[in-house]
Amino acid sequence: GAGVSQSPSNKVTEKGKDVELRCDPISGHTALYWYRQSLGQGLEFLIYFQGNSAPDKSGLPSDRFSAERTGGSVSTLTIQRTQQEDSAVYLCASSPQWEAKNIQYFGAGTRLSVL
Amino acid sequence: AQKVTQAQTEISVVEKEDVTLDCVYETRDTTYYLFWYKQPPSGELVFLIRRNSFDEQNEISGRYSWNFQKSTSSFNFTITASQVVDSAVYFCALSEARIRGDKIIFGKGTRLHILP
Repeated sequence: GAGVSQSPSNKVTEKGKDVELRCDPISGHTALYWYRQSLGQGLEFLIYFQGNSAPDKSGLPSDRFSAERTGGSVSTLTIQRTQQEDSAVYLCASSPQWEAKNIQYFGAGTRLSVL
Repeated sequence: AQKVTQAQTEISVVEKEDVTLDCVYETRDTTYYLFWYKQPPSGELVFLIRRNSFDEQNEISGRYSWNFQKSTSSFNFTITASQVVDSAVYFCALSEARIRGDKIIFGKGTRLHILP
């Protein structure tokens, strides 16, 4: 079956514009995660969803960041009024269930460049 | 607090050499899970292994082996007879069972260069 799909793969935007990043998880996976990977840095947790709800939003860096998930499937990460420091690779992952032991399966990411 | 430290930011070895990637973790929980992921140049993280805190047996998978030692809070990864295709960034990660959800805490990664 298909893996985690993210779109676009690359996004270049101007400072101050809004952007939407999309994640299509593996079919049947109930948990979905967003991470940010800045140049030379590890993965920074942003938010996760169990179904359509997001119990943990603690990783969102500011109120310019928001995410939603509809139908227990596709998720969108929105960044409003983008800043240059938002430039990074945004990775999405999904897993079958909401358990600590579960393996997360990652997409290839969206590389965001804010000019 | 939970934390994962990969002290080696970058390693270069000549093909066919063995190489060990270090991982040290911190957790207050007694039940937790440790992972290794590989990120090749394509960018997509690939799962390599998961261990739970109650299983300290070392594991070998082909040229890959993992050494889990609770006494030193380490979960090191060794590649034997390295190949150019092993060149990638390798991440060690920790997930605590008591934490709601499966937020994985990643180390900053070790970039491995295998030179032909």
